[in-house]
Amino acid sequence: DSGVTQTPKHLITATGQRVTLRCSPRSGDLSVYWYQQSLDQGLQFLIQYYNGEERAKGNILERFSAQQFPDLHSELNLSSLELGDSALYFCASSVGGAKGYNEQFFGPGTRLTVL
Amino acid sequence: GDSVTQMEGPVTLSEEAFLTINCTYTATGYPSLFWYVQYPGEGLQLLLKATKADDKGSNKGFEATYRKETTSFHLEKGSVQVSDSAVYFCALRGGSYIPTFGRGTSLIVHP
Repeated sequence: DSGVTQTPKHLITATGQRVTLRCSPRSGDLSVYWYQQSLDQGLQFLIQYYNGEERAKGNILERFSAQQFPDLHSELNLSSLELGDSALYFCASSVGGAKGYNEQFFGPGTRLTVL
Repeated sequence: GDSVTQMEGPVTLSEEAFLTINCTYTATGYPSLFWYVQYPGEGLQLLLKATKADDKGSNKGFEATYRKETTSFHLEKGSVQVSDSAVYFCALRGGSYIPTFGRGTSLIVHP
């Protein structure tokens, strides 16, 4: 158990809908990262928050947004969903948010299926 | 930008065989390098790391050496077990804040 929790575990929805994925980091970790894992794209970094502020942005679509709240939990919002958004979405956390060495602890993931 | 290239899988081995999974990278400056492992149905777990050139990371019988001259961080294990069957990801964290992962290499170990 990494100490990172994600809800829900599974989510099935229809195209055009909007969903929210939730992540609680390990106790004491200030950074939260979101990743998308699919068979064709591999593991793609989406976005990082550090202590409530956006720190880095990767391959995140404009239809997707995220935030980190004062209690450090984070939510990833996916809107106008398309079939291609079906994937595993992972959250990870780390103590710091700096460059270089920064071990990340991954949650179990949320499997999103868009029908 | 930064990038990580690792060998295509799956890698299929018999128990007690020697394992090598190749990983090469492109990055500016002096990145930190990582190997993560993902068991079926789970999230990624850090397997080992190296933060500077010539460092050797090791854990659970796995080893990888940070080779700056060849920009490589190959993962090795002398004797694999069935329980090592998983997907292995090479990753780096370099001059930007953006973590970069390889596409993953699936390892299948037969008894």
